Amino acid sequence: GAVVSQHPSRVICKSGTSVKIECRSLDFQATTMFWYRQFPKQSLMLMATSNEGSKATYEQGVEKDKFLINHASLTLSTLTVTSAHPEDSSFYICSARGGSHGNEQFFGPGTRLTVL
Amino acid sequence: QKEVEQDPGPLSVPEGAIVSLNCTYSNSAFQYFMWYRQYSRKGPELLMYTYSSGNKEDGRFTAQVDKSSKYISLFIRDSQPSDSATYLCATNAGGTSYGKLTFGQGTILTVHP
Repeated sequence: GAVVSQHPSRVICKSGTSVKIECRSLDFQATTMFWYRQFPKQSLMLMATSNEGSKATYEQGVEKDKFLINHASLTLSTLTVTSAHPEDSSFYICSARGGSHGNEQFFGPGTRLTVL
Repeated sequence: QKEVEQDPGPLSVPEGAIVSLNCTYSNSAFQYFMWYRQYSRKGPELLMYTYSSGNKEDGRFTAQVDKSSKYISLFIRDSQPSDSATYLCATNAGGTSYGKLTFGQGTILTVHP
């Protein structure tokens, strides 16, 4: 399978600050990347879909001004949580699809965000 | 009603047992079916990917899809303690929602020695 990395793996920040999370496809070109959020003991909830060079498509209920997504290249997408608050604390996971892998999605290891 | 229903368990079995994990879905447009394994504090790992009804086998894992009943299953033979994880089923409709996955809640599996 393909490899997707995320950085950082965990981050702790103060309320009101902004946090950037990077998602990289290491061995294939990801035409589409997805950002998910997962609360403890719950499943993954899709936040947004981003295609390289285009604006992200956000799921209903997800604030696009709070969760800024940039997909500037075929191997990198970033999620910025702006003015983070404790309720934004969660496990953020990206996935990527593209290249010869067709419809298959490959997930990153996740980023644990804790907002104090 | 959720689009994909999955019994969250937890499910506890002895080593060597056959494990059966199941999901049902309600949207007839779903065409692609996946099973992911997720270890604690890690991202999901793709185990099985199927498109059509029937069985698909990969080592100790068998994925089964019954589109007429909207029912998908994952069987694990000769289960090992290392199989202890959360198993997530996922589906996708293809077409304009190509790539957009809908996940089940996940089943927590523990295989004890």
